[in-house]
Amino acid sequence: NAGVTQTPKFRILKIGQSMTLQCAQDMNHNYMYWYRQDPGMGLKLIYYSVGAGITDKGEVPNGYNVSRSTTEDFPLRLELAAPSQTSVYFCASSYYEGAVETQYFGPGTRLLVL
Amino acid sequence: AQSVAQPEDQVNVAEGNPLTVKCTYSVSGNPYLFWYVQYPNRGLQFLLKYITGDNLVKGSYGFEAEFNKSQTSFHLKKPSALVSDSALYFCAVRESPAGNNRKLIWGLGTSLAVNP
Repeated sequence: NAGVTQTPKFRILKIGQSMTLQCAQDMNHNYMYWYRQDPGMGLKLIYYSVGAGITDKGEVPNGYNVSRSTTEDFPLRLELAAPSQTSVYFCASSYYEGAVETQYFGPGTRLLVL
Repeated sequence: AQSVAQPEDQVNVAEGNPLTVKCTYSVSGNPYLFWYVQYPNRGLQFLLKYITGDNLVKGSYGFEAEFNKSQTSFHLKKPSALVSDSALYFCAVRESPAGNNRKLIWGLGTSLAVNP
């Protein structure tokens, strides 16, 4: 299994541009997540999905959109990039062992908005 | 409200010495507790978790963690540190299903530096 994959690894955007961060997993996990990681701020949940066709907002959803048309893919869309969106973005998927969930992370996408 | 605290931004330890990375939590119900490690320029990797049962949980790479309900702590430990253990460590908590809140709450991370 490749696990959780993310593309691109690094991107520079100009203010107002748009882009899509790709995330895919091959573990047949139902749950998927997008986080952003800022220095000294830990992880903040942007959006999550409990299955294909179902998404919900996390702590910091403003400025982002997601879709989940398949179990495998969970892209994150930035419509109008702002400097405040400069961050490292991590996608994760999870499985349940009984009632307990364990998350597995992709390698991250580093985004710089200038 | 649920919360996680990692009181130390950075921990320094000499190679071969025992290490402890601290984590305390607050939940209204029973906790599910997790430790993840992040190596430079990499994603987070799962280390171990506490669900129920034995308070001492063993995980990957020789790490273990001790759940202490009275102190609401879940400190990460290793008997003998390696230079390769140098990384950023995150503690996370979630209430048990009775709390009906599925989201993980993450600590801010502790940077561990193991000196040769």
